[in-house]
Amino acid sequence: GAVVSQHPSWVICKSGTSVKIECRSLDFQATTMFWYRQFPKQSLMLMATSNEGSKATYEQGVEKDKFLINHASLTLSTLTVTSAHPEDSSFYICSARDNLAQSSYNEQFFGPGTRLTVL
Amino acid sequence: RKEVEQDPGPFNVPEGATVAFNCTYSNSASQSFFWYRQDCRKEPKLLMSVYSSGNEDGRFTAQLNRASQYISLLIRDSKLSDSATYLCVSQRDTGRRALTFGSGTRLQVQP
Repeated sequence: GAVVSQHPSWVICKSGTSVKIECRSLDFQATTMFWYRQFPKQSLMLMATSNEGSKATYEQGVEKDKFLINHASLTLSTLTVTSAHPEDSSFYICSARDNLAQSSYNEQFFGPGTRLTVL
Repeated sequence: RKEVEQDPGPFNVPEGATVAFNCTYSNSASQSFFWYRQDCRKEPKLLMSVYSSGNEDGRFTAQLNRASQYISLLIRDSKLSDSATYLCVSQRDTGRRALTFGSGTRLQVQP
């Protein structure tokens, strides 16, 4: 299957700092990428849909000014957690869809995730 | 009510056992369904798609009942390596095609 990378794999930061997470599709082009968040023992929750060349679409309850998403190319989307606080500590996972694939259901390929801990 | 609901488990079964997981979904607009597997502190990985006609992949059998909005996964001859959390996932076939995840069912296969 297609490969999606995320960087960094884990990060520890102080409260009030900003953290940028990168999501890259390594061997395919992704006009759409998705950002999920998973708290311990809970499900993955969609935060936003990242669209190449246009503004991201945020899910209800997700602050767009706090979670900045940029999708400037067909292989890279970034999520910046601004002014991070301890309650933002979570596992952030991106996924990308190969829009050119012949698959009937447009399988999403997941990155390995980024574990954020805010002190 | 959650859009995709699963029994959180855990299911503790001996090696070789057959185990079944169930899942219900509430959004009738959901058209595609999947089972994903997630190991501890890792990303989810696609296990199999789920079709109304039922589909099998080795020891794994998935079934979808659209009338009752119910999805199942059957694992036969459980292996230690099957220990993981199994996520029931729905997808709408229109719009952004984002995935909606259930909270997962934890399986622990014991020797």
